[in-house]
Amino acid sequence: EIVLTQSPATLSLSPGERATLSCRASQTISSFLAWYQQKPGQAPRLLIYDASNRASGIPARFSGSGSGTDFTLSISSLAPEDFAVYYCQQRSNWPLTFGGGTKVEIK
Amino acid sequence: EVQLVESGGGLVEPGGSLRLSCAASGFTFSSYDMNWVRQAPGKGLEWVSYITNGGGTIYYADSVKGRFTISRDNAKNSVYLQMSSLRAEDTAVYYCARRSAIAALFDLWGQGTLVTVSS
Repeated sequence: EIVLTQSPATLSLSPGERATLSCRASQTISSFLAWYQQKPGQAPRLLIYDASNRASGIPARFSGSGSGTDFTLSISSLAPEDFAVYYCQQRSNWPLTFGGGTKVEIK
Repeated sequence: EVQLVESGGGLVEPGGSLRLSCAASGFTFSSYDMNWVRQAPGKGLEWVSYITNGGGTIYYADSVKGRFTISRDNAKNSVYLQMSSLRAEDTAVYYCARRSAIAALFDLWGQGTLVTVSS
Protein backbone atom coordinates (compact mmCIF):
# COMPACT_ATOMS: atom_id res chain seq x y z
CA GLU A 1 0.00 0.00 0.00
CA ILE A 2 1.26 3.46 -0.91
CA VAL A 3 1.45 5.76 2.10
CA LEU A 4 0.99 9.49 1.56
CA THR A 5 2.46 11.81 4.18
CA GLN A 6 1.20 15.37 4.27
CA SER A 7 2.97 18.27 5.92
CA PRO A 8 2.54 20.36 7.86
CA ALA A 9 -0.42 19.03 9.80
CA THR A 10 -1.61 22.58 10.39
CA LEU A 11 -0.78 25.79 8.56
CA SER A 12 -1.69 29.08 10.23
CA LEU A 13 -1.89 31.93 7.74
CA SER A 14 -3.70 35.20 7.14
CA PRO A 15 -6.01 35.97 4.21
CA GLY A 16 -3.99 37.13 1.23
CA GLU A 17 -0.93 35.07 2.16
CA ARG A 18 0.47 32.24 0.08
CA ALA A 19 -0.07 28.65 1.25
CA THR A 20 2.25 25.79 0.36
CA LEU A 21 1.18 22.24 1.26
CA SER A 22 3.29 19.14 0.80
CA CYS A 23 2.45 15.51 0.06
CA ARG A 24 5.10 12.80 -0.07
CA ALA A 25 4.50 9.28 -1.38
CA SER A 26 6.20 6.18 0.02
CA GLN A 27 7.04 5.09 -3.53
CA THR A 28 6.96 6.70 -6.92
CA ILE A 29 3.48 7.42 -8.28
CA SER A 30 4.41 9.31 -11.45
CA SER A 31 1.94 12.21 -11.61
CA PHE A 32 -1.05 10.25 -10.37
CA LEU A 33 -1.88 12.55 -7.49
CA ALA A 34 -5.01 14.53 -6.72
CA TRP A 35 -5.86 17.18 -4.14
CA TYR A 36 -9.19 17.68 -2.38
CA GLN A 37 -10.56 20.41 -0.15
CA GLN A 38 -12.92 19.65 2.72
CA LYS A 39 -14.78 22.19 4.81
CA PRO A 40 -16.43 21.32 8.15
CA GLY A 41 -19.60 19.31 7.70
CA GLN A 42 -19.13 19.03 3.94
CA ALA A 43 -17.96 16.36 1.55
CA PRO A 44 -14.55 16.73 -0.05
CA ARG A 45 -14.23 18.60 -3.35
CA LEU A 46 -11.77 17.71 -6.11
CA LEU A 47 -9.31 20.57 -6.74
CA ILE A 48 -6.37 19.19 -8.70
CA TYR A 49 -5.81 15.94 -10.60
CA ASP A 50 -2.72 14.36 -12.12
CA ALA A 51 -0.56 16.62 -9.98
CA SER A 52 -1.14 19.88 -11.82
CA ASN A 53 -4.51 19.96 -13.59
CA ARG A 54 -7.25 22.06 -12.05
CA ALA A 55 -10.66 20.44 -11.89
CA SER A 56 -13.64 22.16 -13.44
CA GLY A 57 -14.57 25.41 -11.73
CA ILE A 58 -11.50 25.59 -9.51
CA PRO A 59 -10.01 29.11 -9.23
CA ALA A 60 -6.62 29.81 -10.77
CA ARG A 61 -5.13 30.67 -7.36
CA PHE A 62 -4.93 26.91 -6.76
CA SER A 63 -2.01 25.16 -8.44
CA GLY A 64 -0.29 21.83 -8.07
CA SER A 65 3.16 20.58 -8.95
CA GLY A 66 5.45 17.62 -8.53
CA SER A 67 6.03 14.11 -9.78
CA GLY A 68 7.50 10.87 -8.52
CA THR A 69 7.24 11.07 -4.75
CA ASP A 70 7.06 14.78 -3.88
CA PHE A 71 4.08 17.00 -4.58
CA THR A 72 2.95 20.50 -3.67
CA LEU A 73 -0.38 22.29 -3.58
CA SER A 74 -0.07 26.07 -3.65
CA ILE A 75 -2.72 28.67 -2.99
CA SER A 76 -1.34 31.96 -4.27
CA SER A 77 -3.42 34.30 -2.14
CA LEU A 78 -5.70 32.83 0.50
CA ALA A 79 -9.34 33.83 0.23
CA PRO A 80 -11.57 33.56 3.32
CA GLU A 81 -13.29 30.50 1.84
CA ASP A 82 -9.98 28.64 1.42
CA PHE A 83 -9.56 27.90 5.12
CA ALA A 84 -10.24 24.19 5.21
CA VAL A 85 -8.57 20.79 5.32
CA TYR A 86 -6.73 19.57 2.24
CA TYR A 87 -6.09 15.94 1.33
CA CYS A 88 -3.91 14.37 -1.32
CA GLN A 89 -4.88 11.06 -2.97
CA GLN A 90 -2.93 8.69 -5.20
CA ARG A 91 -4.36 6.63 -8.04
CA SER A 92 -1.15 4.86 -9.06
CA ASN A 93 -1.90 1.59 -7.26
CA TRP A 94 -4.80 -0.13 -5.54
CA PRO A 95 -5.81 0.44 -2.85
CA LEU A 96 -6.41 4.10 -3.50
CA THR A 97 -5.00 6.00 -0.54
CA PHE A 98 -5.26 9.46 0.96
CA GLY A 99 -2.84 11.52 2.97
CA GLY A 100 -3.65 12.44 6.54
CA GLY A 101 -4.59 16.01 5.63
CA THR A 102 -3.33 19.54 6.20
CA LYS A 103 -5.55 22.01 7.99
CA VAL A 104 -5.20 25.58 6.77
CA GLU A 105 -6.42 27.82 9.57
CA ILE A 106 -6.74 31.54 10.05
CA LYS A 107 -3.84 33.03 11.92
CA GLU B 1 -29.22 18.61 -10.56
CA VAL B 2 -26.25 16.28 -10.52
CA GLN B 3 -26.12 14.68 -7.08
CA LEU B 4 -25.59 11.64 -4.91
CA VAL B 5 -27.72 11.06 -1.82
CA GLU B 6 -26.75 8.46 0.78
CA SER B 7 -29.09 6.86 3.27
CA GLY B 8 -29.21 3.95 5.67
CA GLY B 9 -26.79 5.03 8.35
CA GLY B 10 -27.52 4.75 12.04
CA LEU B 11 -26.59 3.15 15.34
CA VAL B 12 -25.77 -0.55 15.28
CA GLU B 13 -24.28 -2.90 17.87
CA PRO B 14 -20.89 -4.54 17.35
CA GLY B 15 -21.31 -7.62 15.20
CA GLY B 16 -24.42 -6.23 13.59
CA SER B 17 -25.25 -5.42 9.98
CA LEU B 18 -26.35 -2.38 8.05
CA ARG B 19 -27.05 -1.60 4.39
CA LEU B 20 -26.19 1.79 2.96
CA SER B 21 -27.76 3.13 -0.21
CA CYS B 22 -26.68 5.88 -2.55
CA ALA B 23 -29.13 7.31 -5.08
CA ALA B 24 -27.74 9.11 -8.10
CA SER B 25 -29.50 11.70 -10.22
CA GLY B 26 -28.72 14.20 -12.94
CA PHE B 27 -26.23 12.06 -14.85
CA THR B 28 -26.04 8.74 -16.69
CA PHE B 29 -25.36 6.54 -13.67
CA SER B 30 -24.76 3.39 -15.70
CA SER B 31 -21.76 5.02 -17.38
CA TYR B 32 -19.82 5.61 -14.19
CA ASP B 33 -17.83 3.50 -11.77
CA MET B 34 -18.66 4.19 -8.14
CA ASN B 35 -16.91 4.10 -4.77
CA TRP B 36 -17.54 4.23 -1.06
CA VAL B 37 -15.18 6.35 1.04
CA ARG B 38 -15.41 6.75 4.81
CA GLN B 39 -14.22 9.21 7.41
CA ALA B 40 -14.02 8.37 11.09
CA PRO B 41 -14.94 11.23 13.43
CA GLY B 42 -12.19 13.85 13.39
CA LYS B 43 -10.03 11.70 11.12
CA GLY B 44 -8.97 11.56 7.48
CA LEU B 45 -10.46 9.88 4.44
CA GLU B 46 -10.27 6.14 3.77
CA TRP B 47 -11.29 4.53 0.50
CA VAL B 48 -13.52 1.50 1.20
CA SER B 49 -14.78 -0.10 -1.99
CA TYR B 50 -15.11 0.29 -5.77
CA ILE B 51 -17.42 -1.13 -8.42
CA THR B 52 -17.25 -0.69 -12.17
CA ASN B 53 -20.21 0.67 -14.12
CA GLY B 54 -21.42 -2.79 -15.07
CA GLY B 55 -20.58 -4.37 -11.75
CA GLY B 56 -18.03 -6.73 -13.27
CA THR B 57 -15.04 -5.55 -11.23
CA ILE B 58 -15.06 -4.92 -7.50
CA TYR B 59 -12.32 -3.97 -5.06
CA TYR B 60 -12.26 -3.63 -1.28
CA ALA B 61 -9.91 -2.17 1.25
CA ASP B 62 -8.26 -4.86 3.36
CA SER B 63 -9.93 -3.40 6.45
CA VAL B 64 -13.39 -4.38 5.18
CA LYS B 65 -12.69 -7.34 2.89
CA GLY B 66 -14.89 -10.29 3.74
CA ARG B 67 -17.29 -8.16 5.78
CA PHE B 68 -18.59 -5.54 3.33
CA THR B 69 -20.23 -6.09 -0.07
CA ILE B 70 -20.69 -3.42 -2.71
CA SER B 71 -23.37 -3.75 -5.38
CA ARG B 72 -25.35 -1.59 -7.74
CA ASP B 73 -28.66 -1.49 -9.58
CA ASN B 74 -28.37 0.62 -12.70
CA ALA B 75 -32.13 0.46 -13.29
CA LYS B 76 -32.57 2.21 -9.94
CA ASN B 77 -29.54 4.51 -10.32
CA SER B 78 -28.25 3.26 -7.00
CA VAL B 79 -25.17 1.79 -5.40
CA TYR B 80 -25.20 -0.09 -2.11
CA LEU B 81 -22.85 -1.12 0.67
CA GLN B 82 -23.88 -4.14 2.73
CA MET B 83 -21.91 -4.09 5.96
CA SER B 84 -21.76 -7.03 8.34
CA SER B 85 -19.72 -8.07 11.39
CA LEU B 86 -19.46 -4.40 12.21
CA ARG B 87 -16.77 -3.20 14.61
CA ALA B 88 -16.32 -0.02 16.62
CA GLU B 89 -13.59 1.04 14.18
CA ASP B 90 -16.14 1.06 11.35
CA THR B 91 -17.78 4.09 12.95
CA ALA B 92 -17.56 6.83 10.33
CA VAL B 93 -19.38 9.02 7.87
CA TYR B 94 -19.73 6.97 4.72
CA TYR B 95 -19.66 8.83 1.42
CA CYS B 96 -20.49 7.48 -1.98
CA ALA B 97 -18.29 9.02 -4.62
CA ARG B 98 -18.35 8.89 -8.37
CA ARG B 99 -15.21 7.90 -10.22
CA SER B 100 -14.20 10.60 -12.65
CA ALA B 101 -14.45 9.77 -16.34
CA ILE B 102 -10.79 10.79 -16.54
CA ALA B 103 -9.25 8.45 -13.97
CA ALA B 104 -9.54 6.92 -10.52
CA LEU B 105 -10.47 10.22 -8.88
CA PHE B 106 -13.59 11.20 -6.99
CA ASP B 107 -15.32 14.01 -8.85
CA LEU B 108 -18.78 13.89 -7.25
CA TRP B 109 -19.56 13.13 -3.61
CA GLY B 110 -22.71 12.66 -1.62
CA GLN B 111 -23.31 14.40 1.68
CA GLY B 112 -22.49 11.28 3.65
CA THR B 113 -24.34 9.07 6.11
CA LEU B 114 -23.13 8.42 9.65
CA VAL B 115 -22.67 4.87 10.87
CA THR B 116 -22.09 4.43 14.59
CA VAL B 117 -21.09 1.02 15.92
CA SER B 118 -21.58 0.92 19.66
CA SER B 119 -23.29 -1.10 22.36
